[in-house]
Amino acid sequence: DARVTQTPRHKVTEMGQEVTMRCQPILGHNTVFWYRQTMMQGLELLAYFRNRAPLDDSGMPKDRFSAEMPDATLATLKIQPSEPRDSAVYFCASGLVRSAGDQETQYFGPGTRLLVL
Amino acid sequence: KQEVTQIPAALSVPEGENLVLNCSFTDSAIYNLQWFRQDPGKGLTSLLLIQSSQREQTSGRLNASLDKSSGRSTLYIAASQPGDSATYLCAVRGREGGSEKLVFGKGTKLTVNP
Repeated sequence: DARVTQTPRHKVTEMGQEVTMRCQPILGHNTVFWYRQTMMQGLELLAYFRNRAPLDDSGMPKDRFSAEMPDATLATLKIQPSEPRDSAVYFCASGLVRSAGDQETQYFGPGTRLLVL
Repeated sequence: KQEVTQIPAALSVPEGENLVLNCSFTDSAIYNLQWFRQDPGKGLTSLLLIQSSQREQTSGRLNASLDKSSGRSTLYIAASQPGDSATYLCAVRGREGGSEKLVFGKGTKLTVNP
């Protein structure tokens, strides 16, 4: 049963600390998305990658957030320094695009619940 | 900028009732529309995907319709069950700033009472 995995599931940290969230996409998927969900804003796209290349990170605060894909099996989202307003649930999703114009179904991980004190 | 609105924000119904969840979007230039289900503390599960050229999709007791010109979609759930209790999110896929994005509504929290 292939699924997206995320670690850690929960993270409590203090303001100013670095936070790293990890995602393992479904094996064979070539597109990875990072989303943030809050009560106020709902679900927002932060960044996404295709074939490990960043395609769009316009939803991400560039001064403190960074997203990378060191290899096809790992995506990371880092916040440095973290702030209380970053408290949210961060979701990773993956999908497969086979050809130009293809629209993939996104499979979501269980999320990382982040609390910054 | 695409905006997606879901009404109502919360809905409580008795078991067995048929119900409709609503979704509206401001920009009709979409590739597709998806309905997702989110259980508490969990990620999202895709329920139905309607391409922009389609009018509806069905899966079991679920039926989703799309009226692209008016910017509306509905998710119809027949014979609701307590296990249907979850938050249902609508998302549209369009092109913004040169890339394709899913834009989500804030969801409708459904409670089906036994």
